[in-house]
Amino acid sequence: GIQVEQSPPDLILQEGANSTLRCNFSDSVNNLQWFHQNPWGQLINLFYIPSGTKQNGRLSATTVATERYSLLYISSSQTTDSGVYFCAVFTSGTYKYIFGTGTRLKVLA
Amino acid sequence: EAGVAQSPRYKIIEKRQSVAFWCNPISGHATLYWYQQILGQGPKLLIQFQNNGVVDDSQLPKDRFSAERLKGVDSTLKIQPAKLEDSAVYLCASSQRDGLETQYFGPGTRLLVL
Repeated sequence: GIQVEQSPPDLILQEGANSTLRCNFSDSVNNLQWFHQNPWGQLINLFYIPSGTKQNGRLSATTVATERYSLLYISSSQTTDSGVYFCAVFTSGTYKYIFGTGTRLKVLA
Repeated sequence: EAGVAQSPRYKIIEKRQSVAFWCNPISGHATLYWYQQILGQGPKLLIQFQNNGVVDDSQLPKDRFSAERLKGVDSTLKIQPAKLEDSAVYLCASSQRDGLETQYFGPGTRLLVL
């Protein structure tokens, strides 16, 4: 089946720093979502991004489906950005979302 | 608009006991999902309903897990009998039409099997 790898697995930032999280996938996908799981376990969808670039405040995402990767950019990080970031890919073969391995982010005040 | 509701939020049981979790999706959402998230891993889909029909249950351990979505609205996931390795967070999600769309997650039920 499709493999979804995220990097880096762990990231520690000082408040105000910028970061880039990467999601690589091993096969063609029909869609991709980015989620933030906060320290209380709640999964919040950030972007629905099968291709192209989207921005929402300090966050932006780019998916290059032909090269099988997606990037999540966090600018001017805040302590509330801490948690785990997951990408999830949807394939017509499985007709479901497969979640990546996650990037655990800790932002220090 | 109310989000996805789940209960209970926490449950501690002993192995071989049974347990049930409840989920109420966002109003009007046709598709409902149950995921299992083991500590340190991403969520894994257990079962997907569209209205009250099962779309995918390929990763549901059917010898001990069962799920139903009567009337195409709320859903119940049951484990009987529970094993130690079932300790995890059980997440319910819903989407408006089908599996391709944006999914909205509930707060989860944290299960500990002793």
